[in-house]
Amino acid sequence: GENVEQHPSTLSVQEGDSAVIKCTYSDSASNYFPWYKQELGKRPQLIIDIRSNVGEKKDQRIAVTLNKTAKHFSLHITETQPEDSAVYFCAARGSQGNLIFGKGTKLSVKP
Amino acid sequence: KAGVTQTPRYLIKTRGQQVTLSCSPISGHRSVSWYQQTPGQGLQFLFEYFSETQRNKGNFPGRFSGRQFSNSRSEMNVSTLELGDSALYLCASSLRPGTGAFMNTEAFFGQGTRLTVV
Repeated sequence: GENVEQHPSTLSVQEGDSAVIKCTYSDSASNYFPWYKQELGKRPQLIIDIRSNVGEKKDQRIAVTLNKTAKHFSLHITETQPEDSAVYFCAARGSQGNLIFGKGTKLSVKP
Repeated sequence: KAGVTQTPRYLIKTRGQQVTLSCSPISGHRSVSWYQQTPGQGLQFLFEYFSETQRNKGNFPGRFSGRQFSNSRSEMNVSTLELGDSALYLCASSLRPGTGAFMNTEAFFGQGTRLTVV
């Protein structure tokens, strides 16, 4: 079935360093890829998304890249800050319309 | 503009009971999807409703059901609760279902209902 794999499951960086989270999807029909940030006890919050007709999208310190041929997409966070600490989920929209989520990456930014 | 509202925030139920959770989407949004979030399985799709009709369903047993009202508010029901149903239940609100020309539709989550089955 449709699947999204996300790596790594945990990531620890020093404040100011960059963080990269990678996802792979299986459904070649997917063309919408959102990223969510979930802080402890809070709702998943949409932070950025990318459509399949675009290879890269940036929003301040956050960027996403998409390689449709390889079915890979990645989240890049530069100049990380302690408030970036959270669980990040990638997702791909399946052919039936629902979002298929990766298992999440717990990012810890150490001051 | 109000966000997605889920009630109640917390529930404790006994095995064998049933439970009903509610989700009010963002004003103007007509699609509501439900997800179960657990530490082991992550976020798993339950079902999606649009215009009071179930459009799509995930791989959950028939004990999980839902409905949508004419004002787009949605409820999900779990009957004959099992310990394994303990989870955070999240609903996501979208303008329209994410299919066809609307595959790029954004989805916004509510705070969730934390269900504990004892």
